[in-house]
Amino acid sequence: GQNIDQPTEMTATEGAIVQINCTYQTSGFNGLFWYQQHAGEAPTFLSYNVLDGLEEKGRFSSFLSRSKGYSYLLLKELQMKDSASYLCAVRNTGGFKTIFGAGTRLFVKA
Amino acid sequence: ETGVTQTPRHLVMGMTNKKSLKCEQHLGHNAMYWYKQSAKKPLELMFVYNFKEQTENNSVPSRFSPECPNSSHLFLHLHTLQPEDSALYLCASSQGSGGDTQYFGPGTRLTVL
Repeated sequence: GQNIDQPTEMTATEGAIVQINCTYQTSGFNGLFWYQQHAGEAPTFLSYNVLDGLEEKGRFSSFLSRSKGYSYLLLKELQMKDSASYLCAVRNTGGFKTIFGAGTRLFVKA
Repeated sequence: ETGVTQTPRHLVMGMTNKKSLKCEQHLGHNAMYWYKQSAKKPLELMFVYNFKEQTENNSVPSRFSPECPNSSHLFLHLHTLQPEDSALYLCASSQGSGGDTQYFGPGTRLTVL
């Protein structure tokens, strides 16, 4: 079967670092996405990993290990505006199907 | 960001009503998607269109009927819905096949009474 697991909720402090984990089991793998979704708004693209390793983009970094079926999103220097849901999504080989996790709600407190 | 727009943003309908959701993308993309997002559940892919042709129907009940007249417009026609169909309906588009990065619209919050 196909499954994507990520924690339901996390809380972190402004200025700190937080790591949001994602594990997946899918039939075929052709890349992993992270999206950010503020309450009541559309998901917005954050990162895409298809090869193992770390991709850094400003305060956000995303890591992938294909052999372990594992990814994480690292957020540095947290700001209050980072409070949102973070969705992990895996693209299957062949076709248009991208499977989404349920999302991790991140609360950033002062 | 106005790359993908959706109307209406909010919709309340009775179970016997017929309504339509509209999505328009201004990004020159060739693929468009409908997703359903319920509280605390993953985004559920409903339909995929590529160059106006439906390429995916994820076992969606027939009370949801998609229409894609061209690569820029996508509709979701609704009739005889159930209360459990209440959710956020998101439209997305991507450049092409193979699941390129998807860009989402703001969604339509649907409530079925």
